[in-house]
Amino acid sequence: AQSVAQPEDQVNVAEGNPLTVKCTYSVSGNPYLFWYVQYPNRGLQFLLKYITGDNLVKGSYGFEAEFNKSQTSFHLKKPSALVSDSALYFCAVRDTNSGYSTLTFGKGTMLLVSP
Amino acid sequence: EPEVTQTPSHQVTQMGQEVILRCVPISNHLYFYWYRQILGQKVEFLVSFYNNEISEKSEIFDDQFSVERPDGSNFTLKIRSTKLEDSAMYFCASSGTEYSNQPQHFGDGTRLSIL
Repeated sequence: AQSVAQPEDQVNVAEGNPLTVKCTYSVSGNPYLFWYVQYPNRGLQFLLKYITGDNLVKGSYGFEAEFNKSQTSFHLKKPSALVSDSALYFCAVRDTNSGYSTLTFGKGTMLLVSP
Repeated sequence: EPEVTQTPSHQVTQMGQEVILRCVPISNHLYFYWYRQILGQKVEFLVSFYNNEISEKSEIFDDQFSVERPDGSNFTLKIRSTKLEDSAMYFCASSGTEYSNQPQHFGDGTRLSIL
């Protein structure tokens, strides 16, 4: 079975500082990993994905994520946070062994960026 | 940019009543999904649909639930006899190909409130 853990309910960072939102995963095969962002009263918006290749993937709005196979992690990062980045962030995984396209989500991490 | 659209945005229903949630996936997409998010909890997979049949479903998707693609554009989720615990945000998603490395695109959701 596939699973995702986001250990932090909330991350607080000052505008202009770097941010990291943590994610670890568990799969039986190789993972496809995704980050989504959810703004209030909106659906989930795709940010970036890791499928294969370079461990550092770049996505929308200046976000990037680093895949670390040995630590089974896929942390979301941004060099300089903006107040407008404040939102709920979800990490999701799909197991390449499962044969299906189901996404399993973490519980989400609220990112609060203060001015 | 093409979007997944969901109607209504908020549905209030008496317990025991049937409810139909509607979704219009992105027009050239082939795979369709329903997820739900109970308030304060993580996003949970319900069902995936491809080629006019269910390809995968979770334990949540019991006999009270059904999905249908009644025409070339709509994708519906029906809950036959609603329970209080069905109160949640329901998200529809679609993806373009059969390859599980493609991101799913989500609608803004329908908030279902069961009284």
